[in-house]
Amino acid sequence: AQSVAQPEDQVNVAEGNPLTVKCTYSVSGNPYLFWYVQYPNRGLQFLLKYITGDNLVKGSYGFEAEFNKSQTSFHLKKPSALVSDSALYFCAVRGVIKAAGNKLTFGGGTRVLVKP
Amino acid sequence: GAVVSQHPSWVICKSGTSVKIECRSLDFQATTMFWYRQFPKQSLMLMATSNEGSKATYEQGVEKDKFLINHASLTLSTLTVTSAHPEDSSFYICSARGPGTGHSPLHFGNGTRLTVT
Repeated sequence: AQSVAQPEDQVNVAEGNPLTVKCTYSVSGNPYLFWYVQYPNRGLQFLLKYITGDNLVKGSYGFEAEFNKSQTSFHLKKPSALVSDSALYFCAVRGVIKAAGNKLTFGGGTRVLVKP
Repeated sequence: GAVVSQHPSWVICKSGTSVKIECRSLDFQATTMFWYRQFPKQSLMLMATSNEGSKATYEQGVEKDKFLINHASLTLSTLTVTSAHPEDSSFYICSARGPGTGHSPLHFGNGTRLTVT
């Protein structure tokens, strides 16, 4: 079974400082990896995805994530955080192999609080 | 592009009544839609996969007769919570896979907050 772990329930960072949100995954075969952001009482918004190719993926709003196969990680990063980045972030994985199912499995979420 | 509209955004109903939530893909066709439930400060729990023109596939532990899903067209899926009880109060979110390849990201509706009194 596939799974995603986001070890930090909350990350606090000062505005202008680098932001990192951690994610590790487990899946049969190669993964499709995604990051989503959720603002209060809203659905999820897609930030970026890793499918294949370069391990460093750039996405929306200045976010990027690095795929590390040996560590089975896909940490989300932003060089300089903004107060408006405060939200709930979800990492998700889906197996490339169809036998693993077509379902997206989400991590537990990490709340990011950026203080001015 | 790839906008998913969910309605209503919030609903309050009395215990024992039924509530219907609609999920529409506005600018693309979605043969498959997904329904999630989210508890406060928790992750999304997949309830069921809605397939256009066929029966939905429910996740283990989700009551089919309680959460009725209908996907009658390529742009509309509905979730009906039947005989709602206070424990059904939650945030329900639908999503659809965007057009393109199988690894297209999911696009989410804005969710429906259901409160059963």
